[in-house]
Amino acid sequence: QSALTQPASVSGSPGQSITISCTGTSSDVGGYKYVSWYQQHPGKAPKLMIYDVSNRPSGVPDRFSGSKSGNTASLTISGLQAEDEADYYCSSYTNNSTLDVFGTGTKVTVL
Amino acid sequence: EVQLVESGGGSVQPGGSLRLSCAASGFTVSSNYMSWVRQAAGKGLEWVSVIYSSGSTYYADSVKGRFTISRHNSKNTLYLQMNSLRVEDTAVYYCARGRPETDWGQGTLVTVSS
Repeated sequence: QSALTQPASVSGSPGQSITISCTGTSSDVGGYKYVSWYQQHPGKAPKLMIYDVSNRPSGVPDRFSGSKSGNTASLTISGLQAEDEADYYCSSYTNNSTLDVFGTGTKVTVL
Repeated sequence: EVQLVESGGGSVQPGGSLRLSCAASGFTVSSNYMSWVRQAAGKGLEWVSVIYSSGSTYYADSVKGRFTISRHNSKNTLYLQMNSLRVEDTAVYYCARGRPETDWGQGTLVTVSS
């Protein structure tokens, strides 16, 4: 099972909006609504930011939003803040025997 | 408060074995979907294994046949038995609760080297 494809890096200035893509296949991202996004700061455990494509867990700012079109899911961060600088990973259910697959990861830099 | 504490990591030679533990508090392991996820230094997250509340287990192709996930209900603890370890298994191993993974431990480092 190959990892989902994400851009290596995305950057933006404070207050701007950025979007991170996550491209898979019809066997994972495109076939199910079980796409999640995680934020990871250096040396820390990942934190769930979005689940089931577009749902936010309690406590996650509404600046974070998710969507999906075909085989590509997206995470948008609006009103970018310094504390949003981190690595972001998507994840999807997959219908092969391994069940879950992560994306390659995207480093978000706040300029 | 949900808490997950991994232990059991360390250094081992290729071909060796380790058993990781994940002690849980604030919830019941046997009633939850529990996973192991690993991350090599400077690399991305890699899903390793899951055990359902039903007891069904699944593994990444890279560890199938070598790793075994299990749980001890009375100890409220999740385990990962790792056999025939390879250099490429070197990583920080996280346990996580839920699907999607809502709660994570702090991770335990496994180093496989000769």
